[in-house]
Amino acid sequence: SQQGEEDPQALSIQEGENATMNCSYKTSINNLQWYRQNSGRGLVHLILIRSNEREKHSGRLRVTLDTSKKSSSLLITASRAADTASYFCAGRGDSSYKLIFGSGTRLLVRP
Amino acid sequence: EPEVTQTPSHQVTQMGQEVILRCVPTSNHLYFYWYRQILGQKVEFLVSFYNNEISEKSEIFDDQFSVERPDGSNFTLKIRSTKLEDSAMYFCASSLSGGITEAFFGQGTRLTVV
Repeated sequence: SQQGEEDPQALSIQEGENATMNCSYKTSINNLQWYRQNSGRGLVHLILIRSNEREKHSGRLRVTLDTSKKSSSLLITASRAADTASYFCAGRGDSSYKLIFGSGTRLLVRP
Repeated sequence: EPEVTQTPSHQVTQMGQEVILRCVPTSNHLYFYWYRQILGQKVEFLVSFYNNEISEKSEIFDDQFSVERPDGSNFTLKIRSTKLEDSAMYFCASSLSGGITEAFFGQGTRLTVV
C-alpha cells in the first residue's frame, strides 16, 4: 500500500510555538501534498513537493521530503490559534493519478 | 486559488434510494476525482476521470457507483441504491494535470443514509 502515515496523531502546542508533523509512505511517489482540514470541512491544499525536491517553503510552512527514507515533514512556524485543524499528507504514485491519504495529525494550538 | 464547488452541502436519504452528488470543478482543469471520508477515518480515493472516461477506480467504487460529466462543467457521482455504510463526506477534486500538479478539493457533501 502507498498509504501515508502521520505522526503524531495529535499535537497540542501553545500559540507562537512551532508545530512539526511527520509523514511516512511505503511506495515510490511522484509528489507529496499536504492538506489542512478544519473540523467537518473541506480539504485545503497547502503545499506540493515533488520527488526531486528536498525542501519547500510557503509562508509559515516548510515541507521536507526524504525519498530515501520515504518520509516528509510539515513545519508550521509561529503557530496561531487559527492553525488548529487536522493535517494530512497525500502521496501521488508514479503510475497513478490518485492521492493516497494518511490518517492525519490533529493539531491544537492553544491561545 | 482554484475553486471546486459541491452541492448539496448535506443530503439525507433513505436506504435504497438513489442519490446524485454534484460538483463544478475548476474551469480549466482536466482531471476530476471523487473521494470519501467516513467520519473520523481517512480520506479514501473512489475514482478518477479524464477525457470523459474513468481512468482509475478503487475497490469501493463498485457497480452501485457511477460518474458522469454531462455538460462540460458539472461532474456528478451517482449512488444507485444507498446503503447505511455509504454515509460519509464525499469530496470532489480536480487538477490541471493528472500526476504532477496540485489537486484542489471542494467543501464536500455530507451524505447521511437512514
